[in-house]
Amino acid sequence: DTEVTQTPKHLVMGMTNKKSLKCEQHMGHRAMYWYKQKAKKPPELMFVYSYEKLSINESVPSRFSPECPNSSLLNLHLHALQPEDSALYLCASSQVTGVSGNTIYFGEGSWLTVV
Amino acid sequence: AQSVSQHNHHVILSEAASLELGCNYSYGGTVNLFWYVQYPGQHLQLLLKYFSGDPLVKGIKGFEAEFIKSKFSFNLRKPSVQWSDTAEYFCASSEGTGNQFYFGTGTSLTVIP
Repeated sequence: DTEVTQTPKHLVMGMTNKKSLKCEQHMGHRAMYWYKQKAKKPPELMFVYSYEKLSINESVPSRFSPECPNSSLLNLHLHALQPEDSALYLCASSQVTGVSGNTIYFGEGSWLTVV
Repeated sequence: AQSVSQHNHHVILSEAASLELGCNYSYGGTVNLFWYVQYPGQHLQLLLKYFSGDPLVKGIKGFEAEFIKSKFSFNLRKPSVQWSDTAEYFCASSEGTGNQFYFGTGTSLTVIP
């Protein structure tokens, strides 16, 4: 079982809705990530937080808004999404830079469908 | 920037056949290498990882991988596959002590009973 938990597992939302995806980890990791994955494709990095600060934003549209309230929690706020945003959204965590042999651990993902 | 390439996009094998999936990385410095598996409808799970030491790494479910520095390769192997190994397999790398992870495009493995 993964130690990164994500809720909800499935979400269907309209293009005018506002919703949030939530992620929690208790491994003491100080780096947390959001990835987007389409079917049979590799995960695409969206955001990286290190020590609760946004360190990488891979030119993600502003309709996706990340938030890291504390070292264990990571949210992804969704607003005015498009049908092409339908995908599996994966949260992950790892040690931050400076740890040799850093490993990234993934949650089970949130399946998002935009209608 | 680093890159990871997986040349086998879709592999179909019969049960009990041997498996080798190719993975090449581009970074010339200290590198960490990973294989992840994603079963249908499930999340990415770590199969095995290499940081240093013995270049032959053993992972879960009977998988192993060999790091060959001279070839920039980290191929995944299993002597005898099972139907339950049907999944997507992703190779990934990161630099030394970094937390930037680079994924290959994945290999879809179908094992026929």
